[in-house]
This record gives sequence, structure tokens and C-alpha cells, in this order.
Amino acid sequence: DSGVTQTPKHLITATGQRVTLRCSPRSGDLSVYWYQQSLDQGLQFLIQYYNGEERAKGNILERFSAQQFPDLHSELNLSSLELGDSALYFCASSVTGDGAQYFGPGTRLLVL
Amino acid sequence: SQQGEEDPQALSIQEGENATMNCSYKTSINNLQWYRQNSGRGLVHLILIRSNEREKHSGRLRVTLDTSKKSSSLLITASRAADTASYFCATDAQGNNRLAFGKGNQVVVIP
Repeated sequence: DSGVTQTPKHLITATGQRVTLRCSPRSGDLSVYWYQQSLDQGLQFLIQYYNGEERAKGNILERFSAQQFPDLHSELNLSSLELGDSALYFCASSVTGDGAQYFGPGTRLLVL
Repeated sequence: SQQGEEDPQALSIQEGENATMNCSYKTSINNLQWYRQNSGRGLVHLILIRSNEREKHSGRLRVTLDTSKKSSSLLITASRAADTASYFCATDAQGNNRLAFGKGNQVVVIP
């Protein structure tokens, strides 16, 4: 168990809908990262937050947004969903400067 | 953005044998990390090697890094059935922890 929790574990929704994925980092970790894993694209970095502030952006679509709250949990919002958004979404956390990232179990999103 | 590329893509070995997988990358890096993923589950950090290091050990794992060739290898010695998983290398190019992952190596250890 990495100490990173993600909810929900599974999510099935329809095209055009909006969903929110939630992540709680390990105790004491200030950085949160979001990744998308799909068969065709592999593991792609989406976005990073550090202590509530956006730190880096990767291959994140404009339809997607995220935030990190004062208690350090983070949410990833996916809107106007398309079939191609079906994927595993992982959250990871780290102690800045440590290097190693600790991944949650992921949320499996299926868009029908 | 750069990405690691593991080679070979799939490996099937007998329990007790060693498993070696390679990773190459395109630009200079701050560090390179290896992760393991069991089917459909979260990634587990295995080992991190910094750009000024050439070799690192952790239990049955041995990682080498050749920055001149922009490549790394992961060796798992005396493999066990529980080592069956996908193994990913990931590079941190700018020291900002933004990782670029390779496509992964599927390793199957036959009991």
C-alpha cells in the first residue's frame, strides 16, 4: 500500500458527461501528479501541483482541469467526455526533491 | 517530451533465472527511475539512479546507467513468480519530477 488513495476505483459514464476523480496523497507529501494510462498512448503526465499551486502541465486537454486543496487532496475534473478518454487515471505524490513518486491504485474510467 | 523506450517488450523466463531489460532515452536527464506495475494496478517505485551515478543495487535489483549512450538497464536476479509484472523506466529531464515513461516491459516468470 503506497499510502495514496484514489476514488472512485471504477467509473462508467456517457459521452458528453463530466466526472471528478479524487486523490489523497501520502501524509506529508506536498506534490501531487496526475497521469493517464491508455493502451495507445501509454503513461502520460497530465499535471502537477505543489502545495496548492500548479507546478507543471503536460499533455492535459483543455477539457480537463485539476486543483489541489488546502488539505492537499487533489481533484481531476474531466468534462465533455469522449470515447477516447477511457483510460486508467493515476494520482501520485512525492516529497519534493525526493524523486520517487508513490502511485495510487488508479481510477478506471469507461466512457460509453 | 522525451520518453524512455524499453527493450525487449516482452520477456518470459523460468523462476530462478535472471531478467534483464533495457531503456533508452533521447535527451539529458536529472535521474532515471524504474517502476513495476502488476496488471491494471498502480505503479510501484523500484529504484532511482541519478545522472552522476553509474550503478545502483536494491535487493535483487541492479540498475545501470550509461549517460553517454543514453541508456539504462534493469537486472532482476533469481526471479520469482511474484516478479511477473510490467516494468517501466521513467526519466526526469529537468529535475522537476515530471516523469516521462517508456512503453513498458512485460515480464512473465514461470514457476
